[in-house]
Amino acid sequence: KQEVTQIPAALSVPEGENLVLNCSFTDSAIYNLQWFRQDPGKGLTSLLLIQSSQREQTSGRLNASLDKSSGRSTLYIAASQPGDSATYLCAVRDTGNQFYFGTGTSLTVIP
Amino acid sequence: DTAVSQTPKYLVTQMGNDKSIKCEQNLGHDTMYWYKQDSKKFLKIMFSYNNKELIINETVPNRFSPKSPDKAHLNLHINSLELGDSAVYFCASSQYIYTEAFFGQGTRLTVV
Repeated sequence: KQEVTQIPAALSVPEGENLVLNCSFTDSAIYNLQWFRQDPGKGLTSLLLIQSSQREQTSGRLNASLDKSSGRSTLYIAASQPGDSATYLCAVRDTGNQFYFGTGTSLTVIP
Repeated sequence: DTAVSQTPKYLVTQMGNDKSIKCEQNLGHDTMYWYKQDSKKFLKIMFSYNNKELIINETVPNRFSPKSPDKAHLNLHINSLELGDSAVYFCASSQYIYTEAFFGQGTRLTVV
């Protein structure tokens, strides 16, 4: 059974700092991996999708990497801003289209 | 400018009632899904529609019936609600199946 873990559970950084969020999964037979952000009371906003055959994806200040064989993904956020404060979730999708979510990392960027 | 929106956000109802949850996406996607949150970390797929046609229908009780009046809407109708139906239900959409998924905020259904 797929287990997805995110470390750290919470992170507080000063504005402008670069940071890395970690995601690990136990079953490497995934179809793709997606990073989301969640703001209080709102749905999940998709940030990046990495297909199982890809190594990384970039969007603006965000860069996500995937090492499927070791069951790891990282989300790198450059030059953090207060508006980046949210909960970040990684989710792996299997070939049956089921989603397995991590526990999330709560990020606070201090102005 | 909400991409995927579900209504209602909360639904409390008695056993035996019939209820519907609505979902709309304004992304122009071809595929829409309904998921049931099985635990905090697992979303189990229930249905998937592509261009208003059912393409995935997992083993769910036939009391659950999806309805897609057009490509932008996928509603979930539940008949004869049972206590065990209490859960959070998520709607999602993607351009095609298995591409980037966009989720609604979820509907917390409580059956009393």
